[in-house]
Amino acid sequence: GQNIDQPTEMTATEGAIVQINCTYQTSGFNGLFWYQQHAGEAPTFLSYNVLDGLEEKGRFSSFLSRSKGYSYLLLKELQMKDSASYLCAVRSFTGGGNKLTFGTGTQLKVEL
Amino acid sequence: EPEVTQTPSHQVTQMGQEVILRCVPISNHLYFYWYRQILGQKVEFLVSFYNNEISEKSEIFDDQFSVERPDGSNFTLKIRSTKLEDSAMYFCASRTLTGGPDTQYFGPGTRLTVL
Repeated sequence: GQNIDQPTEMTATEGAIVQINCTYQTSGFNGLFWYQQHAGEAPTFLSYNVLDGLEEKGRFSSFLSRSKGYSYLLLKELQMKDSASYLCAVRSFTGGGNKLTFGTGTQLKVEL
Repeated sequence: EPEVTQTPSHQVTQMGQEVILRCVPISNHLYFYWYRQILGQKVEFLVSFYNNEISEKSEIFDDQFSVERPDGSNFTLKIRSTKLEDSAMYFCASRTLTGGPDTQYFGPGTRLTVL
């Protein structure tokens, strides 16, 4: 089965850097995705890792270590609009559909 | 920028009634998905669809659920006899096999309320 863990809540200050961790246990690993979700809205894609290492995309970076079952999302130069839930999702190819299995999300609050 | 669209945005129905949720995936995408999110809970996979057939489904996707691609653009989720516990946000997603990170892009969702 799949098991994904991430912190429930985090608080950070505008302009700062925050790191959101995610650990996972899965079979048929085929990539790890980070999505942002504002309340009542759809998940929007932020970043993706399939190989070990760091992927940088503007203010957002994501890191993956497959041997450790670990990823993090790094958000730099935090803005108030970054207050949202950040979802870690693992894609697996077992079953044939390449489904995403989501964690419960980390609710990030950005304060002045 | 192309996007996934869903209709209606909100559907209210009586327990036991049938509902059909509609999605228009991004036009060159080949894989289609339905997920649901009960209020305050995590996003859960329901079903994936490729080449006009279901490629994978979860335990949630029982005989009360069905999916269809009735034409070249729409992708629908039908719930035959709704239950109170079907109340959730239902998201459609699609992805392509060609290039890029092979990401699933989500539609805005349909909020289903079963009374």
